[in-house]
Parts: sequence; structure tokens; C-alpha cells
Amino acid sequence: QVQLVQSGAEVKKPGASVKVSCKASGYTFTGYYMHWVRQAPGQGLEWMGRINPNSGGTDYAQKFQGRVTVTTDTSISTTYMELNRLTSDDTAVYYCARGVYGDFGTYFDYWGQGTLVTVSS
Amino acid sequence: DIQMTQSPSSLSASVGDRVTITCRAGQTINRYLNWYQHKPGKAPKLLIYAASSLQSGVPSTFSGSGSGTDFTLTISSLQPEDFATYYCQQTYSTPFTFGQGTKLEIK
Repeated sequence: QVQLVQSGAEVKKPGASVKVSCKASGYTFTGYYMHWVRQAPGQGLEWMGRINPNSGGTDYAQKFQGRVTVTTDTSISTTYMELNRLTSDDTAVYYCARGVYGDFGTYFDYWGQGTLVTVSS
Repeated sequence: DIQMTQSPSSLSASVGDRVTITCRAGQTINRYLNWYQHKPGKAPKLLIYAASSLQSGVPSTFSGSGSGTDFTLTISSLQPEDFATYYCQQTYSTPFTFGQGTKLEIK
């Protein structure tokens, strides 16, 4: 069965970086894009970016350009999301999600369990 | 960026009720529209993709419709486990924006 298992909660100071991992199993890792979505406390869902594990090609929301890097290690079927120059506004639960490409765009059929990142001095 | 606007933002209903949530896109997005259910402490769950296709394993009480800019999610008979927050999402173009969410609460 498809599973996405994320790394554990992190507490970081403002200005630091965080790297969250997402290990996939149960499917051909290189066959699907991986997306990252976050939810700040009391807020909605926010798409951050995606990676094509087959090519390594990435696409980021303009809001995070220059501050986020998504990478993969295909040998261990793991995707990483690194966010730099953290502020308190980056306190959120971060999710990885598998993207399926259909006739009408992409949809996210499997999600990781979420990783809480807390930014506090 | 394509703005997605859901209404209402919150909704109180009873078990057995029929409920409809609407989602409007800031520009035409054909049928590139998905719906998710999100409960506190859980990962979001895909309900509907491509505006009206029911994801495998999702009860048939859920249905979606629409095309272009206006979309609806309908729950035909609310069950206790349906009380959650619902999000629409467009994947017509990046960034893949979500609506602000509709919180469905028990009356």
C-alpha cells in the first residue's frame, strides 16, 4: 500500500533553516510528482512547490522562491523540503503529497502525516 | 495566481442533511478542480478530482459538479464523520491554489 512517512516535529529559531523528509513506499517513486503543502495555525492549505523525482525538475510558488528547495534521493525513495531564513510566519504543519496527473490536471491522492515546524526564539 | 473563493466559510448542519459548498475560481479553469476533506490532526483526504470524479473509497454521498469558474461539492446525507473542513483546489496552473476552506459543524 502507498505510504508517505514524514520526519518528526522541529523547533527552530528565527533565521534558521529546516529540512523535512518524506519517505515513500508502495509505488514506483519516480512515476509521480511530489508536492509540498503547508497549513499555518488557524489558516488554510497553501501549496509550496513540487518536484519531478524522475528528472529532478522543480516548480515553486513565487511566495517561496529563493527560500525553499525541494530535492529527492531516488535510491531511498525520499523527498526533502528545505526552508531557509525562517520567521514566525513559517510556523505550520508541512505535508508532502503524491501528485497524480489526470485528464484534468493533478490531484493529490496520498499525503504524509504532516510535520509540525515551530519557529520561536 | 488564480484565486479560489469558497462559500460559505462555515456551515452548521445536522446528520442526514443535504449540504452544498460552492467554489468560484478567479478565471476559467475548465475542470481542473479538486475537493479535499481535512480533519484536525489528520492529513487532508481527496474526495473529488477533475470536478466530478469520485476518488476510490469515498462514499457516494459525496458528489461534485461544475466547469469553468463555478463548482459545487454536495454531501447528500451528512454522516457524523463528515464534520470537517473542506477545501477546493485548482490545478489549472501553478501555484496550485486552495480555497480558504469551509468548516462544516454539527448543529
